[in-house]
Amino acid sequence: KAGVTQTPRYLIKTRGQQVTLSCSPISGHRSVSWYQQTPGQGLQFLFEYFSETQRNKGNFPGRFSGRQFSNSRSEMNVSTLELGDSALYLCASSLVAGVQQETQYFGPGTRLLVL
Amino acid sequence: AQSVAQPEDQVNVAEGNPLTVKCTYSVSGNPYLFWYVQYPNRGLQFLLKYITGDNLVKGSYGFEAEFNKSQTSFHLKKPSALVSDSALYFCAVRDTLSGGYQKVTFGTGTKLQVIP
Repeated sequence: KAGVTQTPRYLIKTRGQQVTLSCSPISGHRSVSWYQQTPGQGLQFLFEYFSETQRNKGNFPGRFSGRQFSNSRSEMNVSTLELGDSALYLCASSLVAGVQQETQYFGPGTRLLVL
Repeated sequence: AQSVAQPEDQVNVAEGNPLTVKCTYSVSGNPYLFWYVQYPNRGLQFLLKYITGDNLVKGSYGFEAEFNKSQTSFHLKKPSALVSDSALYFCAVRDTLSGGYQKVTFGTGTKLQVIP
């Protein structure tokens, strides 16, 4: 069974631009979570989607948004990019959401560099 | 509120020696605890988790973790370290009292360096 895939793997943008990242979960998984990883802040939760609905959201500004499609694939969008948005963006999928002991499986990440 | 702490930014251990990566947690109810490993330029890989039952949990690549409720700890261990174990290790927690879609909280990570 294929793992979580994320595209693109690397991205370079300039300040003020917007970017869309994509995540395809493991087949059969219906929950997708997004994380931002930076050397200074570590892993920070962005949001979680399940059945095309956002179920939980972290403490990020409204420039960060996401959505989930009927096939469980998810996209994350960042508008008006700032230098501080440079990070590794990780997507994680799990079979369901709202089950506390459920294991999340991570993709390889998209490394975003904002110049 | 739930939180998790990894008190050591880096742990150095000689190859063949036992290793321990420390993790302590804070939750309102009972915890679900997870360990993940991250190799350079890769995503996180699941190692093991504690839900309930035996305090010693065995996971992938020969790793195990010991749950200690009185000390609110979930330390990761391996009897004999390999150079290939060198990576970044993350501890994570979810609170069983948090209903619905409570997010997973991750620690700041511990870099494990196994010295040949």
